[in-house]
Amino acid sequence: NAGVTQTPKFQVLKTGQSMTLQCAQDMNHEYMSWYRQDPGMGLRLIHYSVGAGITDQGEVPNGYNVSRSTTEDFPLRLLSAAPSQTSVYFCASSYWGGEDIQYFGAGTRLSVL
Amino acid sequence: GENVEQHPSTLSVQEGDSAVIKCTYSDSASNYFPWYKQELGKRPQLIIDIRSNVGEKKDQRIAVTLNKTAKHFSLHITETQPEDSAVYFCAASGNTGNQFYFGTGTSLTVIP
Repeated sequence: NAGVTQTPKFQVLKTGQSMTLQCAQDMNHEYMSWYRQDPGMGLRLIHYSVGAGITDQGEVPNGYNVSRSTTEDFPLRLLSAAPSQTSVYFCASSYWGGEDIQYFGAGTRLSVL
Repeated sequence: GENVEQHPSTLSVQEGDSAVIKCTYSDSASNYFPWYKQELGKRPQLIIDIRSNVGEKKDQRIAVTLNKTAKHFSLHITETQPEDSAVYFCAASGNTGNQFYFGTGTSLTVIP
């Protein structure tokens, strides 16, 4: 099992550009989520999904879109990047939701200039 | 939503001493309280968790206690070792059980 795989590992964007952060898991987990991690702020939930075709907003959803067309994949889209979105992004998955062990990907470090 | 507060933000201990990190939460409906360890440049990894029907859980040198009445839980690390140096995050599951709310982290340094 590869676990949770995120790509890319690093990305630099210009303000206004769009991009998609990829997340895939091979553990047949129903629950997947995206977090951003900023210094002194801990991890904050952006969006989550409890299964294919079902997504919902977390604490900080503005400026991000998600979709879940398959159990394995949960991409995060930045529609028009802003410097405030400079952060480290983590994808996580678990068998059955927020009351279960979360397995994290290795993270994507994003800089928006 | 849930609000999780974590203290202290930094902690230095001598090797062999104990370390204690405390968290409080606001939503009495939260039922699941995990602790994650994150080494520099790495992903967070679960080290221990506790559910609301349990008051204490121990795994070798690591223990977690939960006081649901007071809405606080704590991580205890005994006989600390240099490899325990990392950032530790507490979290709570919130009232739907589908969201996680993390504390702001504690940077633990174990001095050899």
